[in-house]
Order: sequence, then structure tokens, then C-alpha cells
Amino acid sequence: AQSVTQLDSQVPVFEEAPVELRCNYSSSVSVYLFWYVQYPNQGLQLLLKYLSGSTLVKGINGFEAEFNKSQTSFHLRKPSVHISDTAEYFCAVSSSSGSARQLTFGSGTQLTVLP
Amino acid sequence: DSGVTQTPKHLITATGQRVTLRCSPRSGDLSVYWYQQSLDQGLQFLIQYYNGEERAKGNILERFSAQQFPDLHSELNLSSLELGDSALYFCASSASGAGYTDTQYFGPGTRLTVL
Repeated sequence: AQSVTQLDSQVPVFEEAPVELRCNYSSSVSVYLFWYVQYPNQGLQLLLKYLSGSTLVKGINGFEAEFNKSQTSFHLRKPSVHISDTAEYFCAVSSSSGSARQLTFGSGTQLTVLP
Repeated sequence: DSGVTQTPKHLITATGQRVTLRCSPRSGDLSVYWYQQSLDQGLQFLIQYYNGEERAKGNILERFSAQQFPDLHSELNLSSLELGDSALYFCASSASGAGYTDTQYFGPGTRLTVL
């Protein structure tokens, strides 16, 4: 079984400031890790994913995340946020083996960028 | 645009009724996943189909059922609806099989309101 904990339910930050959204996971098997973003009244858009290899993953819209196996974390970062980054962000995991690859999501972090 | 389409966008119905939600996956994707997003439960995996066959089952109620047709589109049937079934229902699709990582791409969702 897998679980995902997003440590902050709400993160307010001023425009052009850096931001970090924290995600920790628990799993008894190897996993793939994902960050999705949900804008108001829209579906989920893939921001980035970690499958294997380099632990620093770059995604769309200037976001990046770092996989830390020893701390079972996959924190999302952006050096300078814009008003348009205001959205809900979800961290998710799936098994990297076997045929069942459903996603287990965290509870989400609402990022609000203030002018 | 993820390439995953869902219809209808909104559905309003009464308790006790039955509804069908439809999903068309991205071209070439063999796997379809259904998720429910509600305020109290967050994003939860319901069921996965791969090339017409059920592959994995999550927290799906017995009143709910799904199927995937030969043209790979999928339908989620919800019956004996209760107020608590009001939620956003997402479909996602992925390429599956040897060499694929099952990265899931989400549709825009169907918002179900049960009155």
C-alpha cells in the first residue's frame, strides 16, 4: 500500500518570491512520483514526473522537484512565482512494477500568489 | 488539452437515479482510469481498465460499475445515487505495456450533482 502526505494545505506567497510545496510518501515497493496542478474548474495537468535517473526533475512552467529516497520526499519548487501559478497542487505516487498503476494522491496544497 | 475527453461536463440528477459518464482516451492509449474527487475524500482511485479488461479496483462502491468497449472508450455507471455521490469524476488514460511508464493524462472531468 502507498500513501502520500502533503504537509501544507495552504501556501500563500508573494509574487516573484520562491516557493516550496512539500510532499512525503510511504510505499513498500518502488514508485514513480508525480506532481499535478489543478486550476479552478479544470482538470488535472501533469507538471512533472520522476521515473528513474537524475533525482532533480524539471517540469513545465518553471517548476522542478527533487526526489530524496532516504527521506521519502518529492518536494516541488519554483524560484519565482507568478499570479498565474495560483492553483491546487497534488503530489501522487504509483507503483513502478506490476500491472496495476493507479495513482495515490495527497490531499493537495492550495498555492495562492499574492500581488 | 490532454487529448482525453469526457462527457457530459455537468450532470444534475436526483437521489435514487442512475447516470452514465463517458470517457474517450488519448489516441493509442489502452488504459483508462476513473477517479472521484470530493471535498471530504479528496482524489480517490475507483477502477482501471486495460484493453477491455478490468485491471485494478480501488474504493469503488458496489452501486458503481464501469466497462471499456472495443473502441477503448469507457463508461462509468452510477446507480441508486445518494447525496454523497456528488463529486467531480475524472477519467485518465495512459499507454501501458512493456516499455511504458503509465503516465496518466486526465480529462476535464464530469461534475455530478445529486439533489
